[in-house]
Amino acid sequence: EEQLLESGGGLVQPGGSLRLSCAASGFTFNNHAMSWVRQAPGMRLEWVAAIDYRGGNIFYADSVKGRFTISRDNSKNTLYLQMNSLRAADTAVYYCVKDSRSIGGHWFDPWGQGALVTVSS
Amino acid sequence: EIVMTQSPGTLSVSPGERATLSCRASQSVSSDLGWYQQKPGQAPRLLIYGASTRATGIPAKFSGSGFGTDFTLTISSLQPEDVAVYYCQQYDDWPLTFGGGTKVEIK
Repeated sequence: EEQLLESGGGLVQPGGSLRLSCAASGFTFNNHAMSWVRQAPGMRLEWVAAIDYRGGNIFYADSVKGRFTISRDNSKNTLYLQMNSLRAADTAVYYCVKDSRSIGGHWFDPWGQGALVTVSS
Repeated sequence: EIVMTQSPGTLSVSPGERATLSCRASQSVSSDLGWYQQKPGQAPRLLIYGASTRATGIPAKFSGSGFGTDFTLTISSLQPEDVAVYYCQQYDDWPLTFGGGTKVEIK
């Protein structure tokens, strides 16, 4: 069974940093692009960042460009999201998702259970 | 950015009846369109990709159609376990974008 397990969420002050991790299992991690998708309370889903199977091509939403960094360690089957200069508007549940292809930009299946990030003083 | 608009915002359907959900793209996305189901307190689950192909394990009661800018998700014979918010997503161009969702309720 394909599984994604996020960790690293929590409460952080505005301007602070946080790193999310996503441990993948049940599929060949280095064959798939991966993304982070977030959902603020009561809001629609928002794609945040994507990385291809080797980490050579990376895309960001404009709302996080320059502040967030997506990366992966294929030897550890793990995806990361480093979040810096956090703002209240970044408060959301962050989902780790597997792309259906190796190069990214497709549909997502499966989704992790989500990690809650709260930015507040 | 391609804007995805879903309608209606909330849909109330009697048990056993059909639910029809709409998704419109601000420009053509060809058939690069997926549908997801999000039950309360859960992560989204892929239902449909390629506008009309059911994902693995998804029952035939869920069907998708459309091409270009107008898409439809149909749930035949709605049951209580189908209560959820349904989202469409385009993957034709970056940034990938989602619709605002349709909440499906039992009447």
